[in-house]
Amino acid sequence: GAVVSQHPSWVICKSGTSVKIECRSLDFQATTMFWYRQFPKQSLMLMATSNEGSKATYEQGVEKDKFLINHASLTLSTLTVTSAHPEDSSFYICSARRDRGHEEQFFGPGTRLTVL
Amino acid sequence: QKEVEQNSGPLSVPEGAIASLNCTYSDRGSQSFFWYRQYSGKSPELIMSIYSNGDKEDGRFTAQLNKASQYVSLLIRDSQPSDSATYLCAVNTGGFKTIFGAGTRLFVKA
Repeated sequence: GAVVSQHPSWVICKSGTSVKIECRSLDFQATTMFWYRQFPKQSLMLMATSNEGSKATYEQGVEKDKFLINHASLTLSTLTVTSAHPEDSSFYICSARRDRGHEEQFFGPGTRLTVL
Repeated sequence: QKEVEQNSGPLSVPEGAIASLNCTYSDRGSQSFFWYRQYSGKSPELIMSIYSNGDKEDGRFTAQLNKASQYVSLLIRDSQPSDSATYLCAVNTGGFKTIFGAGTRLFVKA
């Protein structure tokens, strides 16, 4: 149990385009999902907390109009990188919190974004 | 500022030895503690959770928690080259957010 999927696993796009990444909890419901970004050889950086049915909470320094998050259901959250630029190239990872009282988070496999 | 501190390493141990990974946290109200393993280029994988003082064993892994000292550790017995990865300590204080440490790189030499 506790499987989280992400799609796509990698994407290459041109500068100025938008990219949507999907995160799904496959065998549990997740009222809360998280989006992280990780640059090579660096730590996880929390971008935002996504709550089902409400607006996402963004970390300081993360542009909410650039990184659009929608948590449409208890099993699906999406991150859209709008008007992507080369500096947005990174490894984007979602996680889902399993609601069993102990705040366990399970990570998706990640999406590697390259903006040309 | 709630913090989770780990030695960045690398920690190098020979195959078959015990690897000991340590983590300290600043918030005394922390309730839940986790260890994740992250292979290079992959996402983190939850390997251990611990919620009360003492030891918790799962196969070759043992998590140890000491809330009075605000200290949590992970022991890996009979270390294998396949254990070479970055190990992330994570702490939750009861809210929505879990704080992750920067990770300790472990290298197991064959």
